[in-house]
Amino acid sequence: RKEVEQDPGPFNVPEGATVAFNCTYSNSASQSFFWYRQDCRKEPKLLMSVYSSGNEDGRFTAQLNRASQYISLLIRDSKLSDSATYLCVVARGNAGNMLTFGGGTRLMVKP
Amino acid sequence: DGGITQSPKYLFRKEGQNVTLSCEQNLNHDAMYWYRQDPGQGLRLIYYSQIVNDFQKGDIAEGYSVSREKKESFPLTVTSAQKNPTAFYLCASSIGFSNQPQHFGDGTRLSIL
Repeated sequence: RKEVEQDPGPFNVPEGATVAFNCTYSNSASQSFFWYRQDCRKEPKLLMSVYSSGNEDGRFTAQLNRASQYISLLIRDSKLSDSATYLCVVARGNAGNMLTFGGGTRLMVKP
Repeated sequence: DGGITQSPKYLFRKEGQNVTLSCEQNLNHDAMYWYRQDPGQGLRLIYYSQIVNDFQKGDIAEGYSVSREKKESFPLTVTSAQKNPTAFYLCASSIGFSNQPQHFGDGTRLSIL
């Protein structure tokens, strides 16, 4: 089993749609979780940290379910500019700030 | 502007040649990291450094070397021992080394001639 698993997609959605991605992780000791966005042939950029209570940033909502060891990202009112690959990132528990990156979920928003 | 600068953007390596990728940050971050990304795959950790004059192997350190003589600089050398060096190399930094998000430079693409 991979340490961090994501559905690679692509998710093809129309503008204005709501889309959700899930990510599962295997290390129950993990303490920190992040979503990054990566555009084609560019570096990953931090989208948001994921907190235990769930958190929202504009159209983006992140949730954490420790019992089931999954993280979700919800994007409301999708924009063309949301088209990118979304990376689920998990800190390795006791290994401090070493992060494990999922392979990413590709989102394509169509007009 | 504060940030992480990687150079060069594109690099070509000949057989048997060592090449060095530069990474400089002016964010005053203590920790720095090197990753490689292969097409369609996630990032894999090569080396990391929590503090100046200290660095540790990551998951795929074979064929690579690093140094951390200054806080702001963390160069990566891809040696001739790395038999499959073609990849997108990303440098990152974080404020500390405990549950902190990492911020990335814009990467170096390395190819074999």
